[in-house]
Amino acid sequence: NAGVTQTPKFQVLKTGQSMTLQCAQDMNHEYMSWYRQDPGMGLRLIHYSVGAGITDQGEVPNGYNVSRSTTEDFPLRLLSAAPSQTSVYFCASTQGPGGNQPQHFGDGTRLSIL
Amino acid sequence: GQQLNQSPQSMFIQEGEDVSMNCTSSSIFNTWLWYKQDPGEGPVLLIALYKAGELTSNGRLTAQFGITRKDSFLNISASIPSDVGIYFCAGQLLRGSNYKLTFGKGTLLTVNP
Repeated sequence: NAGVTQTPKFQVLKTGQSMTLQCAQDMNHEYMSWYRQDPGMGLRLIHYSVGAGITDQGEVPNGYNVSRSTTEDFPLRLLSAAPSQTSVYFCASTQGPGGNQPQHFGDGTRLSIL
Repeated sequence: GQQLNQSPQSMFIQEGEDVSMNCTSSSIFNTWLWYKQDPGEGPVLLIALYKAGELTSNGRLTAQFGITRKDSFLNISASIPSDVGIYFCAGQLLRGSNYKLTFGKGTLLTVNP
């Protein structure tokens, strides 16, 4: 049972480069989210999806795009990386809304933008 | 938007001591969650609270959902070295399909053996 799998675990980019952070879950969860974690800031929601084909913005969406073509996958795209996007990124999934459907987190992608 | 104030930011305690941390919000939530994050890993759910006034335990952990729905606390009794990590509170206010969580900034716990 893999749960939520994020790849890559580490990445270094140059300013202006693009890349996609991958997230896959094998629990058939409808809801998936992307968070970024910065020192002293906790976790902040970037984008989320309530099902295949449906996405919405979170608290800090600027500079990021997402799509949800399948239930399993929810990639996060940086079109033109900026140093301010240096962070640890977490993907999470849950079966549905409500606290009795807790979110399962991946182990994170550590991204550095030079 | 909703904001959570989590305190303290960090704690240094001796093994065996009890620990208490709390979160307060500028607005109400209908679910409070407490997570723990170990170094290099994602957060893991410890306790979920669904009703105002609810008191829930999970082993040595006890958490309460405040009556006003704007606060929650987490207690850890008889701390052990493996309790070290960052503890996050998170609040959720359900409106239709809106299930977004708002996280506190975390409490870093260090336990000295």
